[in-house]
Amino acid sequence: VQLVESGGGLVQPGGSLRLSCAASGFTFSNYAMHWVRQATGKGLEWVSAIGPAGDTYYPGSVKGRFTISRENAKNSLYLQMNSLRAGDTAVYYCARADHDYGDYYFDYWGQGTLVTVSS
Amino acid sequence: QSVLTQPPSVSGAPGQRVTISCTGSSSNIGAGYDVHWYQQLPGTAPKLLIYGNSKRPSGVPDRFSGSKSGTSASLAITGLQAEDEADYYCQSYDSSLSGPWVFGGGTKLTVL
Repeated sequence: VQLVESGGGLVQPGGSLRLSCAASGFTFSNYAMHWVRQATGKGLEWVSAIGPAGDTYYPGSVKGRFTISRENAKNSLYLQMNSLRAGDTAVYYCARADHDYGDYYFDYWGQGTLVTVSS
Repeated sequence: QSVLTQPPSVSGAPGQRVTISCTGSSSNIGAGYDVHWYQQLPGTAPKLLIYGNSKRPSGVPDRFSGSKSGTSASLAITGLQAEDEADYYCQSYDSSLSGPWVFGGGTKLTVL
């Protein structure tokens, strides 16, 4: 299993950015996928999720600004981020979700891509 | 402020046993949702350490164990080694507006 994020960079407040995550080594279409972020020196924060059927979930902090999507034919996960704020500055990880007759956990993570929102 | 509460730091000498707590509420751990644990070594991505409260993925040493009771969970590390120095995060599911997937604030383990 390999997850490789890309698309991070420096963006001005109010700007937009699209992150990508290329997946390999497993049947991508069978798994829910998530984005989790981590500000420098801070903890992990769940950002969004998309199920195998395309159902999406967001926390209140990004709802209406971020959009998660997937393209199963390309084994790719995306995160469209609009109206970016300084508080969105973080390393963004994509993660695969799995479960074992219980609740979902994140069994594989990418290396992360840094998003910096600053003027 | 994280939905799941962890101590900011713990420490122990090599060979000792340490535990890291994760305290939740009736909308997450207390509601019966599983707790999972992740280890994040400096400068790297998180790695799954414990899933389903107490199960270890292949390759994780049996020095690491997890448990859950009521609204709390714990991660125990026995035979502490220098390579265990890392940040540890608990994660669960929350049925309130905070979730549904929530993390603890993280605990920095220092091996003395």
